Amino acid sequence: EDKVVQSPLSLVVHEGDTVTLNCSYEVTNFRSLLWYKQEKKAPTFLFMLTSSGIEKKSGRLSSILDKKELFSILNITATQTGDSAIYLCAVEAYGGFKTIFGAGTRLFVKA
Amino acid sequence: DVKVTQSSRYLVKRTGEKVFLECVQDMDHENMFWYRQDPGLGLRLIYFSYDVKMKEKGDIPEGYSVSREKKERFSLILESASTNQTSMYLCASSFNSPNEKLFFGSGTQLSVL
Repeated sequence: EDKVVQSPLSLVVHEGDTVTLNCSYEVTNFRSLLWYKQEKKAPTFLFMLTSSGIEKKSGRLSSILDKKELFSILNITATQTGDSAIYLCAVEAYGGFKTIFGAGTRLFVKA
Repeated sequence: DVKVTQSSRYLVKRTGEKVFLECVQDMDHENMFWYRQDPGLGLRLIYFSYDVKMKEKGDIPEGYSVSREKKERFSLILESASTNQTSMYLCASSFNSPNEKLFFGSGTQLSVL
């Protein structure tokens, strides 16, 4: 059965800390891995990763994929209170419209 | 910006009621999806549609039906709501081409009493 597992499930840090969120997957016919940020209700897109070893970066956020070990990490440096959110990892597979989501990591950044 | 609009942010219904959740997108996306989100379980796909009048079951379709009469609108129907359908419901849409990200609505928190 296809699955996406995120860790930790929740995390509390202080402003300025650096955090690493983990996502491992077992998905048949992997096509891409995506990260979303969910603040109030609507998840918003952060990154799409399709190739191993190529870092995607946007400001203080970065992500990388390892297709051999079947995992991805999302790094956030110099965290701010506005980074408090649920971070969702999702994997898309070929052969349909299948996107498998992890349970999410709930990050809380204290001022 | 793409906009996916869900008609209600919060809904409270009684067991056995028929419930309609509406979703409208304004970007001419072919694909539309309904997910439910529960703590510890993440997002689970209920139904999706890749064209008008076309629908496909997702992972947890039992107790739900959908309707897509127009390209921009995708409705989720609970024929007879039950307490285990209390959840956050998220609508999403995307273009029908490889590696297209999902655009989500703000969600509807449904409570069935």
